[in-house]
Amino acid sequence: GESVGLHLPTLSVQEGDNSIINCAYSNSASDYFIWYKQESGKGPQFIIDIRSNMDKRQGQRVTVLLNKTVKHLSLQIAATQPGDSAVYFCAGPSKAAGNKLTFGGGTRVLVKP
Amino acid sequence: NAGVTQTPKFQVLKTGQSMTLQCAQDMNHNSMYWYRQDPGMGLRLIYYSASEGTTDKGEVPNGYNVSRLNKREFSLRLESAAPSQTSVYFCASRDYAGPGSNQPQHFGDGTRLSIL
Repeated sequence: GESVGLHLPTLSVQEGDNSIINCAYSNSASDYFIWYKQESGKGPQFIIDIRSNMDKRQGQRVTVLLNKTVKHLSLQIAATQPGDSAVYFCAGPSKAAGNKLTFGGGTRVLVKP
Repeated sequence: NAGVTQTPKFQVLKTGQSMTLQCAQDMNHNSMYWYRQDPGMGLRLIYYSASEGTTDKGEVPNGYNVSRLNKREFSLRLESAAPSQTSVYFCASRDYAGPGSNQPQHFGDGTRLSIL
């Protein structure tokens, strides 16, 4: 079935280092993918999205890469800061669910000072 | 600009009790959504409303009902709460413009519901 999932449940990174969060998907018909950040006690917050006709998109300190050949996308956070500690979700529309978003299980990023 | 507001933030119920979770958005979005989030799992869609006057089932609708009261408000009701409905519930809204529209969903801060 269609799914959007994450490889690692927890990522521990040193402050100042780059973080890479990975996500695999099975629905090759998705028009776009979105990354959300969820801090403790808060709702998910939009970070960045990428359309399926793109390979790369950059935002402020974040870059999303999309590899359609292997159905994989990643979120790279440059110079990780303590405020980046959160759970990160990838999401994509599911054709089987009427183009509604399907969320992965999330990766928790822990930033060590 | 408050965005998406959910009330209450916390609630404890006994099995069999009923409860309505409230959600309101002030962004004039046409689509609204209710999700539940359980430990180790991503968000699962319960119900959604593509536009005012319409509601549809999502992935896990059993045990829930919804009402799109107007364009701003979308409520979620548990008629007879069960322990399996213990979860964190999130409401979201977005300006959906049809398939392929990648306008992101905006989320509230959730309602933490425990059912004993």
